[in-house]
Amino acid sequence: DGGITQSPKYLFRKEGQNVTLSCEQNLNHDAMYWYRQDPGQGLRLIYYSQIVNDFQKGDIAEGYSVSREKKESFPLTVTSAQKNPTAFYLCASSSQGELAGANVLTFGAGSRLTVL
Amino acid sequence: DQQVKQNSPSLSVQEGRISILNCDYTNSMFDYFLWYKKYPAEGPTFLISISSIKDKNEDGRFTVFLNKSAKHLSLHIVPSQPGDSAVYFCAAGDNYGQNFVFGPGTRLSVLP
Repeated sequence: DGGITQSPKYLFRKEGQNVTLSCEQNLNHDAMYWYRQDPGQGLRLIYYSQIVNDFQKGDIAEGYSVSREKKESFPLTVTSAQKNPTAFYLCASSSQGELAGANVLTFGAGSRLTVL
Repeated sequence: DQQVKQNSPSLSVQEGRISILNCDYTNSMFDYFLWYKKYPAEGPTFLISISSIKDKNEDGRFTVFLNKSAKHLSLHIVPSQPGDSAVYFCAAGDNYGQNFVFGPGTRLSVLP
């Protein structure tokens, strides 16, 4: 079954600690994304990557870092510099090089991070 | 400043009736729109899309209408079912961009 796997589903972190959220896809999609969801707000884009070894900041990149060493993997690190990291994090992917009509985002199940 | 707005945080509808969820956008460069449905603690799932060359797209019980001049789109669900109870997100993007901007979502409750 093709899809996106995020892990862990739930994660607790102490203040001042970095934490890495995993995102793996077997859809052969070129583009991958990280979004953050907070109550009452839409999904806000943290980082995205259109191709291996390249990524761009989204709207709320401060306090986060990513890497894209493999097409299938796009891990997100929430650093201690992120002031309010408690949120639900969603990874997504889409195919590249097609009209936006085909660029439907496929999402993982999400990871909920709680800072204690 | 929100580029994509869903002004109704919640909506309750009786089973079998029509649900209408609204979405407004401000960026005239947006010309492709998606609707997603999300259950708690799960990722959003794609429902239906529409591009600016159309004013209507239909898929089973779901129909999306686009009014470009008003920068407004709506999702109609007919007939509504209890399983449709979820948060619905509207997303907008441009044809050559890679990013979609999401609205804040509307929580739909379909009452039996």
